[in-house]
Amino acid sequence: NAGVTQTPKFQVLKTGQSMTLQCAQDMNHEYMSWYRQDPGMGLRLIHYSVGAGITDQGEVPNGYNVSRSTTEDFPLRLLSAAPSQTSVYFCASRAPGETQYFGPGTRLLVL
Amino acid sequence: DQQVKQNSPSLSVQEGRISILNCDYTNSMFDYFLWYKKYPAEGPTFLISISSIKDKNEDGRFTVFLNKSAKHLSLHIVPSQPGDSAVYFCAASEDFGNEKLTFGTGTRLTIIP
Repeated sequence: NAGVTQTPKFQVLKTGQSMTLQCAQDMNHEYMSWYRQDPGMGLRLIHYSVGAGITDQGEVPNGYNVSRSTTEDFPLRLLSAAPSQTSVYFCASRAPGETQYFGPGTRLLVL
Repeated sequence: DQQVKQNSPSLSVQEGRISILNCDYTNSMFDYFLWYKKYPAEGPTFLISISSIKDKNEDGRFTVFLNKSAKHLSLHIVPSQPGDSAVYFCAASEDFGNEKLTFGTGTRLTIIP
């Protein structure tokens, strides 16, 4: 099992550009989540999904879109990147009754 | 408003001694608490958890203590080993299985050989 994979590892964007952060898991987990981690702050929940076709907002959803068309994939879209979205992004997945497995993260720099 | 606080950004402990990491929370609805460990360039990994119906949970060298009246929990690592050097995050949710985890800011633990 590869576990939770995230691509790219690192990305530089210009303000206003769009991009999609990819997240995939091969553990058949129902639940998937996106977090961001900023210096001096804990991880903050952006969006989450409790199954294919079902998504909901977390603590800091503004500026981000998600969709869950398959169990395996949970992409995070930035429609118009802003410098405030410079952060490290973590994807996580879990099965019911279990704790979360996190991916290695994507480091995003918005200039 | 930081609902989960880890007031010590860093901690250094001699190898073999006890490491104690602290965490305070303000939201009385939190009912389930977790500790995660994070190495550089990796995602957090789950370490240990505790439900509010218990005041202690032990797993090998790791023990978590919960004081609900003080809204305080702590992670004890004994004996500390060099591989324990990492950033430790405390997290809380309103119940087990709730996707909405609230994380603390982390404590960087350095074990001195």
